[in-house]
Amino acid sequence: DQQVKQNSPSLSVQEGRISILNCDYTNSMFDYFLWYKKYPAEGPTFLISISSIKDKNEDGRFTVFLNKSAKHLSLHIVPSQPGDSAVYFCAASVVGADGLTFGKGTHLIIQP
Amino acid sequence: DAGVIQSPRHEVTEMGQEVTLRCKPISGHDYLFWYRQTMMRGLELLIYFNNNVPIDDSGMPEDRFSAKMPNASFSTLKIQPSEPRDSAVYFCASRGWDEKLFFGSGTQLSVL
Repeated sequence: DQQVKQNSPSLSVQEGRISILNCDYTNSMFDYFLWYKKYPAEGPTFLISISSIKDKNEDGRFTVFLNKSAKHLSLHIVPSQPGDSAVYFCAASVVGADGLTFGKGTHLIIQP
Repeated sequence: DAGVIQSPRHEVTEMGQEVTLRCKPISGHDYLFWYRQTMMRGLELLIYFNNNVPIDDSGMPEDRFSAKMPNASFSTLKIQPSEPRDSAVYFCASRGWDEKLFFGSGTQLSVL
C-alpha cells in the first residue's frame, strides 16, 4: 500500500505560469516532507523540504505547502521555466526513522 | 566533494548471471541506502546501513539479492542469479545528520 501518493503521473504547464504538484500521504506519523527533482539519467536531487510544525516553506521560485489535517502537500513553482521540466518526487519521513518513503513521481513538462 | 559515486552506469547481462553494483557514499555520511526505481513501483527502498551495519533489509525482493558494506566508503548490491524482472535503475544514496538523502547517478540494469 502506497503511503505517499502522487496521483498525477504527468503535468504540462506553459512557461511563465504556475506549476502545482500535489502529494497525499496516509501515515499520520510522517513529520518531515521533502521534494526531489530528477532529470533523465541522473539521480534525484533535493529541492525543498518542510517540517510538520510549519505549513509553508519558500525558497526562491519554489514554495511547499503542508495541510496536515488533509494529509496533503503541494509544491508551487512560480514562474515555471524550461529547466524545471523534470520528474518531481514527494518524500516523507517519520521522526526517529532513517529512510524516506517516496511517491511514484510526477513528470512536469514546461511548454514554451 | 564528489558526491555519491555509483558504478557501473549501465549494465547489460543475461538471465542467470551475477550482477554487482557498487557505491561510494559521501565522506562523513553515516547512512547508506539502496533504492530501486521502476515504472510500476517508483522509488522503493531495498536496504539501508548505519555505520556499515545493515539496519533494515525488508525491502530486498528475495534471497537472490544481497548487500554489503565492508567499510564506510564502499557498498555493493549483488543479484545472483539475475532475472529479467530485475531490470530497473538502482540508486545508492547517503545522508548525514539530517533527513536529506544525496543520490548517486544510478545504475541502469538490463537483464536479457
